[in-house]
Amino acid sequence: EPEVTQTPSHQVTQMGQEVILRCVPISNHLYFYWYRQILGQKVEFLVSFYNNEISEKSEIFDDQFSVERPDGSNFTLKIRSTKLEDSAMYFCASNGDPAGNQPQHFGDGTRLSIL
Amino acid sequence: GESVGLHLPTLSVQEGDNSIINCAYSNSASDYFIWYKQESGKGPQFIIDIRSNMDKRQGQRVTVLLNKTVKHLSLQIAATQPGDSAVYFCADNAGGTSYGKLTFGQGTILTVHP
Repeated sequence: EPEVTQTPSHQVTQMGQEVILRCVPISNHLYFYWYRQILGQKVEFLVSFYNNEISEKSEIFDDQFSVERPDGSNFTLKIRSTKLEDSAMYFCASNGDPAGNQPQHFGDGTRLSIL
Repeated sequence: GESVGLHLPTLSVQEGDNSIINCAYSNSASDYFIWYKQESGKGPQFIIDIRSNMDKRQGQRVTVLLNKTVKHLSLQIAATQPGDSAVYFCADNAGGTSYGKLTFGQGTILTVHP
């Protein structure tokens, strides 16, 4: 079964540094998402992306965050200047059905640790 | 405000029993609901979804019930197995499209004892 893949599985970064989290969505999907989950808390929406532009973003997704689909297969989340509170699991998801009749499929996440 | 929350944070059952995990939602405009299972170190895994024009939907060993009157959602797992042990999240589309953002609940930890 096709799946969403994310790399790296664990990223350790110094505060203030830039990080790029990478995702390969399911190949025929059109909608892409990033969520995050702080340890012990619920999964929170960050941003959705369709047709090469952001569809929706949450208040968490401030100017330090950006997303890009640099080619036909990758979808990236960049944090420009990381803060301690950015430490979390970051999940990428994708959805292929424009009518919305299919669920979002999630990758296994990248654990981001900010020191 | 919009929120999706769970009544019970933990549930412990014996192997073979049926499990029921509950969820309350607050946004009356929500029309798409979904259950995910999350095992340790993994991402949310789709279990089953339901639209607001239905009140029940069945899958393999799982049933989702939707009560729009009281804004309540439940996941029933039949003949629970140790492999079902995980955190279960309900989520909804908060009145948006079903390919838009999902709003997740806090999660229920299900532990199945052999």
